[in-house]
Amino acid sequence: QKEVEQNSGPLSVPEGAIASLNCTYSDRGSQSFFWYRQYSGKSPELIMSIYSNGDKEDGRFTAQLNKASQYVSLLIRDSQPSDSATYLCAVIKGGKLIFGQGTELSVKP
Amino acid sequence: DGGITQSPKYLFRKEGQNVTLSCEQNLNHDAMYWYRQDPGQGLRLIYYSQIVNDFQKGDIAEGYSVSREKKESFPLTVTSAQKNPTAFYLCASSTSGTGGFYEQYFGPGTRLTVT
Repeated sequence: QKEVEQNSGPLSVPEGAIASLNCTYSDRGSQSFFWYRQYSGKSPELIMSIYSNGDKEDGRFTAQLNKASQYVSLLIRDSQPSDSATYLCAVIKGGKLIFGQGTELSVKP
Repeated sequence: DGGITQSPKYLFRKEGQNVTLSCEQNLNHDAMYWYRQDPGQGLRLIYYSQIVNDFQKGDIAEGYSVSREKKESFPLTVTSAQKNPTAFYLCASSTSGTGGFYEQYFGPGTRLTVT
């Protein structure tokens, strides 16, 4: 079992729709969770961090954490073509950041 | 402007040559990291350092070396012992402490091609 798992996609949504990206992790003791956005050929950019159960909203982005189910998700409302990128889920384990493989999101005009 | 710089953006080397990738940060972060990313794959940790003059191996340290003589700088040397050095190399930094939130911020990356 991978330590951090994401569907590789691609996930395709129409412009204006909600994009839902999912991530599961194996270490029940993990406390810190992050979502990065990576455009093709560029470096990852931190867009959300979440540390406690529930939802955290920042503009069009909402991160959801369920520690009991070991599940973290990212919702993007009113998706725009500029949101097309690979989204990386990352979890702190043993003081190190463990990344998932990333989910490719494509927003169609 | 605060941030992380990596140079050069693109680097080409012949097989058998050592090459050093630069990483500098002015965020006053204690911790710095080197990752490698191959096409279609996630990030893999090469080395990390949480304090000056100290560093630890990550998951794929073989064929790489680092130094941390200054808080701001964490250069990575890709040696001739690294079997598949062609990759996208990413440097990151974060605060470090008992708070443990560890939000890492990345530099723009160096794309290394070895032929």
